[in-house]
Amino acid sequence: GNSVTQMEGPVTLSEEAFLTINCTYTATGYPSLFWYVQYPGEGLQLLLKATKADDKGSNKGFEATYRKETTSFHLEKGSVQVSDSAVYFCALSEANQAGTALIFGKGTTLSVSS
Amino acid sequence: DADVTQTPRNRITKTGKRIMLECSQTKGHDRMYWYRQDPGLGLRLIYYSFDVKDINKGEISDGYSVSRQAQAKFSLSLESAIPNQTALYFCATQSGYYNEQFFGPGTRLTVL
Repeated sequence: GNSVTQMEGPVTLSEEAFLTINCTYTATGYPSLFWYVQYPGEGLQLLLKATKADDKGSNKGFEATYRKETTSFHLEKGSVQVSDSAVYFCALSEANQAGTALIFGKGTTLSVSS
Repeated sequence: DADVTQTPRNRITKTGKRIMLECSQTKGHDRMYWYRQDPGLGLRLIYYSFDVKDINKGEISDGYSVSRQAQAKFSLSLESAIPNQTALYFCATQSGYYNEQFFGPGTRLTVL
């Protein structure tokens, strides 16, 4: 079945450091891919998404590229801020089907210190 | 006003008690979901509903039931709560045309 694997955390960085959070997936066809972010005490918010191979999703300085050949969707940011401290979830939805349940990774906690 | 609301936000209850968690949405979405979040396990799907007359079990439905009272309301019940149901519970909505889900703020449930 479909699945998502994220790098385990926590990830601890200093402000302005480069961030990579790895995400790989197993799925048939071409699923849509998502990164969600959960700030302390809040629900999940969509951070970015990509719906087809080689698409790049971006938002708030974060980027992720849909790589079909490596079945990956790694999250990157060039210079993290303390306010980026949160839990990040990679997720996918089934190929060619809108409005289906998402499959989430286990989440990666990011802690940024000043 | 928030698009997806959950009540209560926090609840402490005792083993064996019946408890209901409520979710309401103003996004006009047909599809609604209940997840639980546990440390190190991510989000796991409990139940989902694609419209008022449609209810489907998710990955971990045992010990839970749901009711879709209207398009905008989707409730999760624990008929007889047990300590391992202590978790953070999230409701989410989704349009039938897109794959993004929109989450409520969560309910933190503690079963003693």
